[in-house]
Amino acid sequence: AQSVTQLDSHVSVSEGTPVLLRCNYSSSYSPSLFWYVQHPNKGLQLLLKYTSAATLVKGINGFEAEFKKSETSFHLTKPSAHMSDAAEYFCVVSDGFNKFYFGSGTKLNVKP
Amino acid sequence: DTGVSQDPRHKITKRGQNVTFRCDPISEHNRLYWYRQTLGQGPEFLTYFQNEAQLEKSRLLSDRFSAERPKGSFSTLEIQRTEQGDSAMYLCASSRPTAASSGNTIYFGEGSWLTVV
Repeated sequence: AQSVTQLDSHVSVSEGTPVLLRCNYSSSYSPSLFWYVQHPNKGLQLLLKYTSAATLVKGINGFEAEFKKSETSFHLTKPSAHMSDAAEYFCVVSDGFNKFYFGSGTKLNVKP
Repeated sequence: DTGVSQDPRHKITKRGQNVTFRCDPISEHNRLYWYRQTLGQGPEFLTYFQNEAQLEKSRLLSDRFSAERPKGSFSTLEIQRTEQGDSAMYLCASSRPTAASSGNTIYFGEGSWLTVV
């Protein structure tokens, strides 16, 4: 069985400070992992994807995530937050084919 | 690629009415997915098509819901006799065939908001 736990429902940072959004996954085999971002009243946009190549994955808008098998984690980071990063972020685990399991989301607030 | 397109973006309907949403996937994407997202929750899987074949349906998809993809291109999701609990955003996503080693990636549309009053 596969599942995702996003450890924080809300994260608040100041503009210019680092962002850390935490995700732990459970998978019975080698998973594909994703982060998506959703701005208010919008669809989900793919930020980045891990599929068993490099464990450090770089995505769009300066985000990156590190796959740590020993910790079953796939945390999303960004060195310096921008106001435009305020949105909801979803961690997703997949069997690599057609099943995608979403976390409950983390709302990121960026303070000026 | 032109992105996944959904129509309408917003729909307000009275309880008991039928509604239909349309999704146009990215061209050459043979897989199409419908998800439902309620406020404060992540998307929940509803159904999945490969070409015109509906290969999987969630238990969330009650008999009031029907999805079609008649020519393997666009898809429709119809909800009959709407209930207030159907109020949600309905998201469509699509993906292209990929090798197992590279993993399948789904690309979402902007969603269709349904409000049942």
